[in-house]
Amino acid sequence: EADIYQTPRYLVIGTGKKITLECSQTMGHDKMYWYQQDPGMELHLIHYSYGVNSTEKGDLSSESTVSRIRTEHFPLTLESARPSHTSQYLCASSDYSPVGRLNEQFFGPGTRLTVL
Amino acid sequence: AQKVTQAQTEISVVEKEDVTLDCVYETRDTTYYLFWYKQPPSGELVFLIRRNSFDEQNEISGRYSWNFQKSTSSFNFTITASQVVDSAVYFCALSDSWGKLQFGAGTQVVVTP
Repeated sequence: EADIYQTPRYLVIGTGKKITLECSQTMGHDKMYWYQQDPGMELHLIHYSYGVNSTEKGDLSSESTVSRIRTEHFPLTLESARPSHTSQYLCASSDYSPVGRLNEQFFGPGTRLTVL
Repeated sequence: AQKVTQAQTEISVVEKEDVTLDCVYETRDTTYYLFWYKQPPSGELVFLIRRNSFDEQNEISGRYSWNFQKSTSSFNFTITASQVVDSAVYFCALSDSWGKLQFGAGTQVVVTP
């Protein structure tokens, strides 16, 4: 059973607000990821981290920022939310097997964000 | 650049029928990983299967089986004897050795009783 948590699960806010989406995992994984998914559509990687103090932008441009101060924690922040940010945000983590093969990513339950 | 194509938008079957989902990928990497994930209406992504580029052995796990063909860059997935609980969106995904996932557009599977 994967132990990766996201809060809040649902968030409705007004335009211009600053928000932080929380993501935590208890598996000790070095790699963590944020994906954005519109309803019924594919997932797009927006941020990833290979370890503490490591953050990179993903393939889909995003106005959000991330930080990785602790291995288990990978929060995503929007400084000024806009209606175009309305989407589902999914956090994931993964690691390598003892023989160096990439394991699957475990996903959190997601945060459904609505910006009015 | 990596690309994953799931040509089937939606598949509808009657319970107990088999369902095969197609996935074609593009990559220039020699080491890569392929995955199938399931996303039920609740929205969570559930890992189903993984295949490494250097291992073409096809396997069966319960009602799931997959056919990985490097020669045609395909990674098809089959659900045998489908059940209503199999109704979900199924995503094929491709990862480089660093773990960055490229998802396909997904295939909606509808299983009716």
